[in-house]
Amino acid sequence: GNSVTQMEGPVTLSEEAFLTINCTYTATGYPSLFWYVQYPGEGLQLLLKATKADDKGSNKGFEATYRKETTSFHLEKGSVQVSDSAVYFCALTGNEKLTFGTGTRLTIIP
Amino acid sequence: GAVVSQHPSRVICKSGTSVKIECRSLDFQATTMFWYRQFPKQSLMLMATSNEGSKATYEQGVEKDKFLINHASLTLSTLTVTSAHPEDSSFYICSASGDRGDNQPQHFGDGTRLSIL
Repeated sequence: GNSVTQMEGPVTLSEEAFLTINCTYTATGYPSLFWYVQYPGEGLQLLLKATKADDKGSNKGFEATYRKETTSFHLEKGSVQVSDSAVYFCALTGNEKLTFGTGTRLTIIP
Repeated sequence: GAVVSQHPSRVICKSGTSVKIECRSLDFQATTMFWYRQFPKQSLMLMATSNEGSKATYEQGVEKDKFLINHASLTLSTLTVTSAHPEDSSFYICSASGDRGDNQPQHFGDGTRLSIL
């Protein structure tokens, strides 16, 4: 079945640091890949997505590239802000269902 | 963007009470709605998938009689936790998708924190 392996946190960085959160997946066929973000006490918000190999999703300074050869979808941001503190979930779709990674809690300190 | 409203945001009630949670798509028609459960500091666990006008499809291990799902219209799905007990305390999140297909993202509500005393 489908699965998503995500870098475990928590991750703590200083403001303006470079961020990478690793995500690899196992899936049959050609899934779409997503990053969702969850702020404290809230539901999930779609951060970015990619639907085919070599696609790059980007939003709010975050980027992730769909790498089929390494089955990866790592999330990156060049300069993080305190407001980026949240839990980040990597996910893929198969049969119209989302499979989530375990989530990575990110804390940015001023 | 697509907005999903979930209500109530928090419920505290006594053991044995039934609790209904509503999930509404405000600006699009939701072909499919999903219900998830999230334990503290864990990922989301899919409980069931519902399509408008048909019975919900439950994931393995989820009790159908315990978690009643109704998807009566293209903009509303409800989850009723029947005769809730403390072990049902959790964060419940709904999501909705406007189109079929794996390329379509799900849009999430803000969740409902259920606490059973």
